[in-house]
Amino acid sequence: QVQLVESGGGVVQPGRSLRLSCAVSGFTFSSYAMYWVRQAPGKGLEWVAVISSDGERKYYAESVKGRLSVSKDNSKNTLFLQMNSLRHDDTAVYYCAKGDPWIPGYGMDVWGQGTTVTVSS
Amino acid sequence: DIQMTQSPSSLSASVGDRVTITCRASQSIRNDLGWYQQKPGKAPKRLIYAASSLQSGVPSRFSGSGSGTEFTLTISSLQPEDFATYYCLQYNGQPPWTFGQGTKVEIK
Repeated sequence: QVQLVESGGGVVQPGRSLRLSCAVSGFTFSSYAMYWVRQAPGKGLEWVAVISSDGERKYYAESVKGRLSVSKDNSKNTLFLQMNSLRHDDTAVYYCAKGDPWIPGYGMDVWGQGTTVTVSS
Repeated sequence: DIQMTQSPSSLSASVGDRVTITCRASQSIRNDLGWYQQKPGKAPKRLIYAASSLQSGVPSRFSGSGSGTEFTLTISSLQPEDFATYYCLQYNGQPPWTFGQGTKVEIK
């Protein structure tokens, strides 16, 4: 079955960097767009980024543009989120989610369990 | 950007009740809308896509309707496992794609 497992979260100081990973199985990773969505403590869901199946097209929320970068390694079935210049308001649970072969498709299909990023001095 | 206004923000209901949650879009999004259920400490789970298509494996007591700017999620007979927070998501056209604020369904 489809599985997505995030890793790489932790506590980081403001201004520092972190890289999240999302290892997937159970589907042909190279054929699907992939999403990152986050949820600040006690808050709702916020779309962060999406990457096309071939990794060529990427879109970002305005709040993360220029600081967060999405990529995928189709040979390793892994999605990444490089997070630079982290701010306090980046504190959240970060979820990866499977999309459809095209962007935006029908949005986010299956989600991972999430990884927690805490930005604190 | 398209704004999604979800209502109510919370509701109390009893097992067996019919529950309706509404999302309104700030402009037409055709039927580019999904509904998600999230239980505490868990990842969201998609219930509905394309406004009214039931996700595989989701019980038939869940249904979605609407198009354009007004959408509803209906639970025909609330079950104990349905107490959760529900979100709508619009994915029309170009980003950003936006979620509603959420509706927390609690036990009366």
